[in-house]
Amino acid sequence: AQKVTQAQTEISVVEKEDVTLDCVYETRDTTYYLFWYKQPPSGELVFLIRRNSFDEQNEISGRYSWNFQKSTSSFNFTITASQVVDSAVYFCALSELNTGTASKLTFGTGTRLQVTL
Amino acid sequence: GAGVSQTPSNKVTEKGKYVELRCDPISGHTALYWYRQSLGQGPEFLIYFQGTGAADDSGLPNDRFFAVRPEGSVSTLKIQRTERGDSAVYLCASSLRSDRGRADTQYFGPGTRLTVL
Repeated sequence: AQKVTQAQTEISVVEKEDVTLDCVYETRDTTYYLFWYKQPPSGELVFLIRRNSFDEQNEISGRYSWNFQKSTSSFNFTITASQVVDSAVYFCALSELNTGTASKLTFGTGTRLQVTL
Repeated sequence: GAGVSQTPSNKVTEKGKYVELRCDPISGHTALYWYRQSLGQGPEFLIYFQGTGAADDSGLPNDRFFAVRPEGSVSTLKIQRTERGDSAVYLCASSLRSDRGRADTQYFGPGTRLTVL
């Protein structure tokens, strides 16, 4: 069965600090996708990134970067020079393609990030 | 273009009543998903449609929950004999398609907050 674990319930940082949000997943499938979504106080889930299981290259988008390591089943998310606008709950999610329903997302419980001045 | 829209944004009802929640997906998206998010948790899958048919309804908690998508666009989630435990935010998402071996990105609506008194 698929499972996503976000062990950090809440993280508080001061603006301009770097912060890493951890995500560990479990799957028996060899083909899967991993996602990160942001849920600001307004409540709407905002898509950040999608990564397939065959592409372990790290990705950088502005202040955001993602580290995918199949050996440790982790897909961690780092925000560099955090800003107050980064304050939100961040969810990691998994989609199995061969054994599960295609595109059904299994979410972690989320990490609440609080960035203060 | 317009994103996923959901109505109403808030719904308060009494225990035992019937409710309908509506989702209007992004134009051109053939796959539609319903999730339920309880306080402090990640979204949990309920049902997914590819076109007009429910391809996977394994996440529906019981037979009080039902969803339709008669013309392959707008979907309605129906809950009969509501219970206090049904209180949650109901999220709808859509993607271009959803086939085995493919996981297009899901884009979420703002959700409907259901409160059962």
